[in-house]
Amino acid sequence: KQEVTQIPAALSVPEGENLVLNCSFTDSAIYNLQWFRQDPGKGLTSLLLIQSSQREQTSGRLNASLDKSSGRSTLYIAASQPGDSATYLCAVMDSSYKLIFGSGTRLLVRP
Amino acid sequence: DTAVSQTPKYLVTQMGNDKSIKCEQNLGHDTMYWYKQDSKKFLKIMFSYNNKELIINETVPNRFSPKSPDKAHLNLHINSLELGDSAVYFCASSPTLPGLNTGELFFGEGSRLTVL
Repeated sequence: KQEVTQIPAALSVPEGENLVLNCSFTDSAIYNLQWFRQDPGKGLTSLLLIQSSQREQTSGRLNASLDKSSGRSTLYIAASQPGDSATYLCAVMDSSYKLIFGSGTRLLVRP
Repeated sequence: DTAVSQTPKYLVTQMGNDKSIKCEQNLGHDTMYWYKQDSKKFLKIMFSYNNKELIINETVPNRFSPKSPDKAHLNLHINSLELGDSAVYFCASSPTLPGLNTGELFFGEGSRLTVL
C-alpha cells in the first residue's frame, strides 16, 4: 500500500531564504508525482508535475526533483517570499492512477 | 470563469439529514473526481468518473452516492449524515484517464461540510 510522508510538518523561515521541502513514498511504482499548494480555505493549486521517467521540473523559483528508486522528492523554493506562505502537498499517482497525498508541510515565510 | 466550481462552499446540517454537493468543470475534461480532506488534512480519493462512467470507487460507505449527469458535472449525494462525515470535500478534473495523459489534476476550492 502506497504511503506518502512529508517532512517537516511545519517550517518557519525569514524572507529571502532558500528552502527545501521533503516528500517520501513507499512504493516506487508510480505514474507521476505532483506538488500542490493549498491556501487556507482554498482549493489546491498544481505547482509542478514530474512524470515517472523524469528527474526534475522547474517553474520560476520552484524546482522539484524525483528519485524514484529511493522513493524521494524534494521541492526547492528559492528566495522565499511572504506570499509563499501556504501548505505544500506532495502526491504520487500510483499504478492504478489514484493520487495518494502526504499530510503536507505548512510553510510560513516571515517578512 | 472558474475552471472547477463547487457548490455550496459551506454546508452546516444536522445528523441524519441528506445533502448534496455539486461540481461543474468548464475545462472540457473527461474525468472527474471527489476527494475528502479530513480534520488531519489528509486528502483521500473517494470516486472517479470518466465520461459519466464510474472508474474508481474507494471503500466509502454506500450512504455516499456520486452522480454524473454529463461529463462536465459530478455531484455527490450523502444520505443519513453522520458526525464523522464532517470534512472538506474537493472536486477535481483531468483531461482524460490519467494513463492517457500527464495525469495532472485541477481542483475546485472545496465544500466544507459540518454535521452537528
